[in-house]
Amino acid sequence: AQSVTQLDSQVPVFEEAPVELRCNYSSSVSVYLFWYVQYPNQGLQLLLKYLSGSTLVESINGFEAEFNKSQTSFHLRKPSVHISDTAEYFCAVSYTGGFKTIFGAGTRLFVKA
Amino acid sequence: NAGVTQTPKFQVLKTGQSMTLQCAQDMNHNSMYWYRQDPGMGLRLIYYSASEGTTDKGEVPNGYNVSRLNKREFSLRLESAAPSQTSVYFCASSSMGTTTYEQYFGPGTRLTVT
Repeated sequence: AQSVTQLDSQVPVFEEAPVELRCNYSSSVSVYLFWYVQYPNQGLQLLLKYLSGSTLVESINGFEAEFNKSQTSFHLRKPSVHISDTAEYFCAVSYTGGFKTIFGAGTRLFVKA
Repeated sequence: NAGVTQTPKFQVLKTGQSMTLQCAQDMNHNSMYWYRQDPGMGLRLIYYSASEGTTDKGEVPNGYNVSRLNKREFSLRLESAAPSQTSVYFCASSSMGTTTYEQYFGPGTRLTVT
C-alpha cells in the first residue's frame, strides 16, 4: 500500500538554529511531492512542491526540500528558524494516475526563544 | 476570491443526531475532498469527488455520505453521529491532470459528538 512516513512526531528547536523534518514515501515510478504547513486553528497551506525538474525546491519563507528518488525521501530543511515557524508540517505524495493524495501523520515543529 | 469555504466552523451534536457540513470552492477546480484530522493520525480521506457527478470512498467512509451538488459544492453528511466522529473536518479542492496537484484547504469544522 502507498504510504508516507514522517519520522519525527515532534521537533523542538531553538530560534535561529537549523532544522530538518524528515519524510519518506513508498516507492513508485512517478510521484508529485508536497509539504504543507498548518498553523494553530487553521487549515493546511501549501509550503512547497516538487512536480518535475530540479530536485531542490524552495519556499518563499526560506524552507527548502530535496527530492531523492533513490532514497524515496523528501526532507524539509531551513537553515535558521524563527518563532513564527512554529506549526505542524505535513508531507504528502500523489502518484501518477491517482486521484488521491496520501498525507503523513505530521511533524510538530516547536521553536523556542 | 474566497478559495475554499466551510460551514459551520464549530458544531456540537448529541449521539444519534444528523448534520451536513457544507463546502464550496470558487477556483473552478475539478476535484474535491473531505478529510478528518485526529491527533497523531494526520489527515484521513473520507470521500472524494474526482469530477462533477462522481464520488468515491476514501480511507474512512463508514458513517458518512457525500453529495457533489455541482462543480463548486461538496457536502458531507453524518446520518447518525457517534462519539468516534468527534474530529476536525477539512474540505479541500484541486485541479487535476493525470495526477492530483496541490490541494487547497478550507478552515475546518470542529465537531464534537457527546
